Amino acid sequence: EAQVTQNPRYLITVTGKKLTVTCSQNMNHEYMSWYRQDPGLGLRQIYYSMNVEVTDKGDVPEGYKVSRKEKRNFPLILESPSPNQTSLYFCASSPQDRVGYTFGSGTRLTVV
Amino acid sequence: AQKVTQAQTEISVVEKEDVTLDCVYETRDTTYYLFWYKQPPSGELVFLIRRNSFDEQNEISGRYSWNFQKSTSSFNFTITASQVVDSAVYFCALSGVGSGNTGKLIFGQGTTLQVKP
Repeated sequence: EAQVTQNPRYLITVTGKKLTVTCSQNMNHEYMSWYRQDPGLGLRQIYYSMNVEVTDKGDVPEGYKVSRKEKRNFPLILESPSPNQTSLYFCASSPQDRVGYTFGSGTRLTVV
Repeated sequence: AQKVTQAQTEISVVEKEDVTLDCVYETRDTTYYLFWYKQPPSGELVFLIRRNSFDEQNEISGRYSWNFQKSTSSFNFTITASQVVDSAVYFCALSGVGSGNTGKLIFGQGTTLQVKP
């Protein structure tokens, strides 16, 4: 089944403790991206990647890192999480033409 | 700048009523794609439809239909004979294509649809 897999689905962590949210897709898509969803602010892009080793900032990249060492994986790294990063996170992938996006099931992160 | 506006924040209907969710967009791109996604209470984003800017044909899929009008920059979504399972947040989104575009999806703020039995 074609899908984007995010882990974990739920995570509660403490301020400053590094964490990684994994994202993996099995569709051989070139394009991958991360979004966060917040009440009143909607869905905003954090980072995106056009292909392996090609990443760039989206609208809200502060406090996040990403890497794209393999085509299928696009982890989101929070080196020192803060409470304002409490959010619902989505990973998405698309073919190179970027005309169809498949989203993961989401990761609900709480930073206390 | 690209923008998507969903003016209806919340809509409440009784089961079997028809309901239309409005979406108005702004873009300077000549080629773009429009999307609708459904977000049920469980939180995932479910893809409903994609429409190319060059294809203004309306589309029907079961109880769902979409009306794309380039002249008014609108891409409205109608649910016929709504059901309780249709209760969700619905997002309209826009993406530009071609060189220079980052592939970012511009989402509207979403419309919360509540269908009461």
